[in-house]
Amino acid sequence: KAGVTQTPRYLIKTRGQQVTLSCSPISGHRSVSWYQQTPGQGLQFLFEYFSETQRNKGNFPGRFSGRQFSNSRSEMNVSTLELGDSALYLCASSLYSGSLYEQYFGPGTRLTVT
Amino acid sequence: AQTVTQSQPEMSVQEAETVTLSCTYDTSENNYYLFWYKQPPSRQMILVIRQEAYKQQNATENRFSVNFQKAAKSFSLKISDSQLGDTAMYFCAFMIQDTGNQFYFGTGTSLTVIP
Repeated sequence: KAGVTQTPRYLIKTRGQQVTLSCSPISGHRSVSWYQQTPGQGLQFLFEYFSETQRNKGNFPGRFSGRQFSNSRSEMNVSTLELGDSALYLCASSLYSGSLYEQYFGPGTRLTVT
Repeated sequence: AQTVTQSQPEMSVQEAETVTLSCTYDTSENNYYLFWYKQPPSRQMILVIRQEAYKQQNATENRFSVNFQKAAKSFSLKISDSQLGDTAMYFCAFMIQDTGNQFYFGTGTSLTVIP
């Protein structure tokens, strides 16, 4: 079974631009969560989508948004990029939403904002 | 607020020796799950071990075991017979029951296994 895939793996953008990252969960998984990983802050939860609905949202500004499609693939969008948005963005998928279900992480998308 | 503290940014251990990584957390919730994740260099994060807060017995998974002290809100990871492949960043995390998939992560401990 294929693992969680994220595209693109690397991305360089300029301040003020917007970016869209994609996450394809493991086949059959319905929950997708997104995290931002930076050296100083560690991993911080962005949001979770389950069956096309946002279930949870972390403490990030409205410039960060996401969605989930009927095939469970998810995208996250960051508008008006800032230098501080440079990070590794990880997504994780699980069969259902809830702590009983193991989450599987993707390799991440490395975003650099210049 | 939910917080996780890993006070050891970097650690090293000789191959075949035992090492313990510390983690403390803070939450007012009573039902939650605790995790240790491993992130090898340039590789995907994988689950090492998981502990249900309502279970008093410490979880074990082959060479990995935890020391869970609920009253002290402490959740340390012990790696026995350390192997070179254990070199990685280790993250402690918890998730509150029935609130969806939202992890609260620590800032990580970088472990190097020395041959």
